[in-house]
Amino acid sequence: EAGVAQSPRYKIIEKRQSVAFWCNPISGHATLYWYQQILGQGPKLLIQFQNNGVVDDSQLPKDRFSAERLKGVDSTLKIQPAKLEDSAVYLCASSLGPGGSTDTQYFGPGTRLTVL
Amino acid sequence: AQSVTQPDIHITVSEGASLELRCNYSYGATPYLFWYVQSPGQGLQLLLKYFSGDTLVQGIKGFEAEFKRSQSSFNLRKPSVHWSDAAEYFCAVGFNDMRFGAGTRLTVKP
Repeated sequence: EAGVAQSPRYKIIEKRQSVAFWCNPISGHATLYWYQQILGQGPKLLIQFQNNGVVDDSQLPKDRFSAERLKGVDSTLKIQPAKLEDSAVYLCASSLGPGGSTDTQYFGPGTRLTVL
Repeated sequence: AQSVTQPDIHITVSEGASLELRCNYSYGATPYLFWYVQSPGQGLQLLLKYFSGDTLVQGIKGFEAEFKRSQSSFNLRKPSVHWSDAAEYFCAVGFNDMRFGAGTRLTVKP
């Protein structure tokens, strides 16, 4: 079966510009996650969707970050405007069930964002 | 406060040697525990997980991990490392959400 797809794989922008990342989860997976992985750190959850509803966005910087999962399938994460500290790898993951740690997450390859 | 600590930032082992990667956690109760591997340019792949029961957990690629409640540890082991095991390894803990450690980078010498 196809894995989690993400695009683009790499993006370089200047600060104060906008950027969007796209994720297509594994077919049939109800839950979708966006993580931010800063160099030298483990992934940090930004937002979790179950179908097209938000389950947890407590660590999403809502003044500049937004995400949507229209129709409960693929998802877009946007940063507007970007700051230097947003340089990171943005990972998308999906899981079959409703989420929670017993639900195995499958990760995409990530989008590496560099903000200059 | 809930936290995950991987004390070793970088470990180098010779091919064929044994491996142990350390993970310690601080949590209100015994959480669910996970080990993930991330190869360069790849997403994270689940190696193994512990929810309850037998404290020695077998995973993929010949890895195993042992949960020790008294030490709040969940160390990852492999008896004989292969060159293809070179990657970044992340320990994670959680119930409804997962918290990841900072990772341990494994280098394998020929």
